[in-house]
Amino acid sequence: QVQLVQSGAEVKKPGASVKVSCRASGYTFTTHYMHWVRQAPGQGLEWMGIIFPSGGTTRYEQKFQGRVNMTRDTSTSTVFMELSSLRSDDTAVYYCARDGTVGYFDNWGQGTLVTVSS
Amino acid sequence: EILLTQSPATLSLSPGERATLSCRASQTISRYLAWYQQKPGQAPRLLIYDASNRATGIPARFSGSGSGTDFTLTISSLEPEDFAVYYCQQRGNWPRTFGPGTKVEIK
Repeated sequence: QVQLVQSGAEVKKPGASVKVSCRASGYTFTTHYMHWVRQAPGQGLEWMGIIFPSGGTTRYEQKFQGRVNMTRDTSTSTVFMELSSLRSDDTAVYYCARDGTVGYFDNWGQGTLVTVSS
Repeated sequence: EILLTQSPATLSLSPGERATLSCRASQTISRYLAWYQQKPGQAPRLLIYDASNRATGIPARFSGSGSGTDFTLTISSLEPEDFAVYYCQQRGNWPRTFGPGTKVEIK
């Protein structure tokens, strides 16, 4: 079965960077896009961007342009999301979510809590 | 950017009642809309895609309808495990966007 396993919780200081990983299994890694979605405490879902694992092409939500970098390692079926210049309002749970055959987020990682605090 | 609005923000119902949730898009998105369920401490789960298709393993009490700008998620008879937050999401255009959510709570 499809599984997306994310890295553990992080605590970062303002201005630092964080890199979250998402390891995929149970399907052919390069045949499905992967999205990143975040959720601030008590808030809704916010789409951050997408990576195409086969070629590494990315597309980011405009508000994160210049601060986010999504990469992948096909040898380990892992995608990464790095967010820099962290601020307190970046405190959130970050999810990876697979773009399924029907074009929506059909499988999700368990989420990674990133806390930004001085 | 396509904005999605959901109503109501909160729906207070009893088990066995029918729930009707609305999602409206700021511009037409054909039928490119999905619904997700999220319970506390869990990742969202895909329920409905392309406005009216149930995802794998989703019970028949969940149904979706609509096209263009107006969409509805209906839960025909609420089970105890259905009390959660529901989000709509569009893939008609970039960036992908979500609605703010409707919380279905026990009355």
